[in-house]
Amino acid sequence: TQLLEQSPQFLSIQEGENLTVYCNSSSVFSSLQWYRQEPGEGPVLLVTVVTGGEVKKLKRLTFQFGDARKDSSLHITAAQPGDTGLYLCAGDEYGNKLVFGAGTILRVKS
Amino acid sequence: SAVISQKPSRDICQRGTSLTIQCQVDSQVTMMFWYRQQPGQSLTLIATANQGSEATYESGFVIDKFPISRPNLTFSTLTVSNMSPEDSSIYLCSVRKINPGGGEAFFGQGTRLTVV
Repeated sequence: TQLLEQSPQFLSIQEGENLTVYCNSSSVFSSLQWYRQEPGEGPVLLVTVVTGGEVKKLKRLTFQFGDARKDSSLHITAAQPGDTGLYLCAGDEYGNKLVFGAGTILRVKS
Repeated sequence: SAVISQKPSRDICQRGTSLTIQCQVDSQVTMMFWYRQQPGQSLTLIATANQGSEATYESGFVIDKFPISRPNLTFSTLTVSNMSPEDSSIYLCSVRKINPGGGEAFFGQGTRLTVV
């Protein structure tokens, strides 16, 4: 099973600030997914990136997949309290299992 | 999409007892998984539930401790056997629908288990 390193583990920021979460591996994944989880709920998919170098935007969220398909980042612009939650990256082992990163707890204070 | 109903949502159990968690999906899916998660932390895959055959367990998880049933393509159960306080965790059922772009994973709301 391939490993995904995710950082930082915890972020506490003020409303309006920007932030970036990183997900890195020494292995290549067929695709990489980002999930967001709120307490008492299961993770919900935000985005899937498939092509090396791909950039996807979802409102204030920007996702990048590294050229070599080994790393990814999630950037949030002007964070809002509603962005608070646990963010998880997950690497796709070629259509079978998902390998999850350690997770980043984001707290946005108003 | 897929809607997953997981029961119970939470339970408090005595050590040495067993708890069976049920997972019902609103559509037929090939791939179904069981995860364990400590609050605020990552998901650890316990096993892949295979329809019509024995589940495939990840390293560190064994069938005697976590027996899994998958009688059809919409339903699975996970049993946590002979529980100890170390089994206290959130257990999540998940399914994947594979497409050329990868395939989204859908999750149940989880079962929060406390063993006392």
